[in-house]
Amino acid sequence: GAVVSQHPSWVICKSGTSVKIECRSLDFQATTMFWYRQFPKQSLMLMATSNEGSKATYEQGVEKDKFLINHASLTLSTLTVTSAHPEDSSFYICSVIHPGRGTEAFFGQGTRLTVV
Amino acid sequence: AQTVTQSQPEMSVQEAETVTLSCTYDTSESDYYLFWYKQPPSRQMILVIRQEAYKQQNATENRFSVNFQKAAKSFSLKISDSQLGDAAMYFCAYRSARRNDKIIFGKGTRLHILP
Repeated sequence: GAVVSQHPSWVICKSGTSVKIECRSLDFQATTMFWYRQFPKQSLMLMATSNEGSKATYEQGVEKDKFLINHASLTLSTLTVTSAHPEDSSFYICSVIHPGRGTEAFFGQGTRLTVV
Repeated sequence: AQTVTQSQPEMSVQEAETVTLSCTYDTSESDYYLFWYKQPPSRQMILVIRQEAYKQQNATENRFSVNFQKAAKSFSLKISDSQLGDAAMYFCAYRSARRNDKIIFGKGTRLHILP
């Protein structure tokens, strides 16, 4: 069964609004979660590392005020795209390292965001 | 910084034949993991195979095997008896053995299976 659940799987929003994407680890606790962005026919680019109970670590070039990450519990991290614009349209994927299976990362199903 | 390079944007193979996808990486670390992930049209990431750097033996998973050359920093994936369901995007990936470290992906190789 699924180890990581990501919701929603797709969302359409209007320019200027905010969208929240959730990533949940199922049946295990995760102190760290990762958020990736994937443009069509391209690779997964790491946006930020979400740390439970502390601030997220953003990759160079990623606007932390635009992509708000909250990791308030050991099973949930959220990514909020604030004041979304069409250029934010993309596929967003979260990933978690299972603490009991340290070499393997598990991925959410991804969220296709379309900003109109 | 670590990097992963896949030099083949697309490849095609006849059904039932064998194909090899190439991957090189760069790191100054001695302890790390390497992966091949498959991304079908659903875009769900699926782990195909993994290799721990400290292991000399090449990993094998049914029809999938790797050729891991640590000194050359090369990590190729061989798919034997290719099947139509193997058609997908394949990503080579690297992760440090440090706890909770991120995964770094190559640009991917799109594999087409010809019937």
